Amino acid sequence: GENVEQHPSTLSVQEGDSAVIKCTYSDSASNYFPWYKQELGKRPQLIIDIRSNVGEKKDQRIAVTLNKTAKHFSLHITETQPEDSAVYFCAVGNDYKLSFGAGTTVTVRA
Amino acid sequence: DTAVSQTPKYLVTQMGNDKSIKCEQNLGHDTMYWYKQDSKKFLKIMFSYNNKELIINETVPNRFSPKSPDKAHLNLHINSLELGDSAVYFCATQKTGTEETQYFGPGTRLLVL
Repeated sequence: GENVEQHPSTLSVQEGDSAVIKCTYSDSASNYFPWYKQELGKRPQLIIDIRSNVGEKKDQRIAVTLNKTAKHFSLHITETQPEDSAVYFCAVGNDYKLSFGAGTTVTVRA
Repeated sequence: DTAVSQTPKYLVTQMGNDKSIKCEQNLGHDTMYWYKQDSKKFLKIMFSYNNKELIINETVPNRFSPKSPDKAHLNLHINSLELGDSAVYFCATQKTGTEETQYFGPGTRLLVL
């Protein structure tokens, strides 16, 4: 099965700085790479996703890059704000199934 | 927020009891999932149904039995509850296709005493 590794497990950044979270995966047939944000006590919600035919995608302060050859993808958050504090999960999609990374707890310090 | 709903929101019960969690979606999606999120926040898929047919069944004790009466509903029945079953259980749905977003329900917080 798919093995997804996510780093770092915790990340503390100063408000206004950037945050980067990286994930690697094992199955080269995987073709869908979403990122979810989960606030305390809430459900995971999709914030951005990328398909296997695209190398980079941006949505306002959030961007995702994908390197299929190296089997890794990253989430970049610029100009972080206190409301960005949450747990972020990468996931890898293959044949109806999403395999999740272990999550990164991001804390934005005011 | 009502696109994917779960009941109950909280469930506190004794070891050995049997309980059910219900999930309903009004998105018209064909595929539904159950995930377990443990105390370390790890999200692990348990089951998936596509058009009422079981398509994913991870290594889950057979005390857990999913049931899909129709495409809009996926329920989870748990027999003989154990302490280790305490977790948050999320239902999720997806439009058919392997590159589609999964939408999560609000979660059911299960505490087994």
